[in-house]
Amino acid sequence: QVVLTQSPSASASLGASVKLTCTLSSAHSSYSIAWHQQQPEKGPRYLMDLNSAGIHNKGDGIPDRFSGSSSGAERYLTISSLQSEDEADYYCQTWGTGFRVFGGGTKLTVL
Amino acid sequence: EVQLVESGGGLVQSGGSLRLSCAASGFTFSSSWMSWVRRAPGKGLEWVANIKQDGSEKYYVDSVKGRFTISRDNAKNSLYLQMNSLRVEDSAVYYCAREMSGAYPGYWGQGTLVTVSS
Repeated sequence: QVVLTQSPSASASLGASVKLTCTLSSAHSSYSIAWHQQQPEKGPRYLMDLNSAGIHNKGDGIPDRFSGSSSGAERYLTISSLQSEDEADYYCQTWGTGFRVFGGGTKLTVL
Repeated sequence: EVQLVESGGGLVQSGGSLRLSCAASGFTFSSSWMSWVRRAPGKGLEWVANIKQDGSEKYYVDSVKGRFTISRDNAKNSLYLQMNSLRVEDSAVYYCAREMSGAYPGYWGQGTLVTVSS
């Protein structure tokens, strides 16, 4: 079974950049993933999906401040010029025939 | 504009049943895989089930197999989740999602709260 590992928390200052990491289990290092954001008291929002080469698609209206990259089994979400509304939970997610899997999520605090 | 509006949540006793609905608009519903995803209090997102465009394929997370049934009515642009034998650990906000490329949620609803009491 595919496992996605995320750090439980991250923090960065207003206006700074932050890079969140999602690590695929070693046997599944070539899998594509999607990033989703969930702000407090809101439904999740799709940000982008990434394959091993980089960004494949971005969601509707997602600012250029949000970018993604990949290296080996790691998939990254970088948010630049942090704003207060970026304080949220961020989830990576992957898929296969008959399953969808989410990582545990990273709670991002904007200082 | 894609809209997904869930309904049907509420308070139910352990062992009881509930049927969630999701009304979809703004896209060709019959062309999309659809999913249910939940978030329990203090926990992260958990995929629950998904269903192919014509309903011919359905998949479930192990913890709900045999208890939950996903279905759809393409004529009504609606997705459903029949939840039977509910457990306290099924308490969560349930989200309806439209899958993109049959792979990941590209659009999400706002969710409906299900609370199972002991």
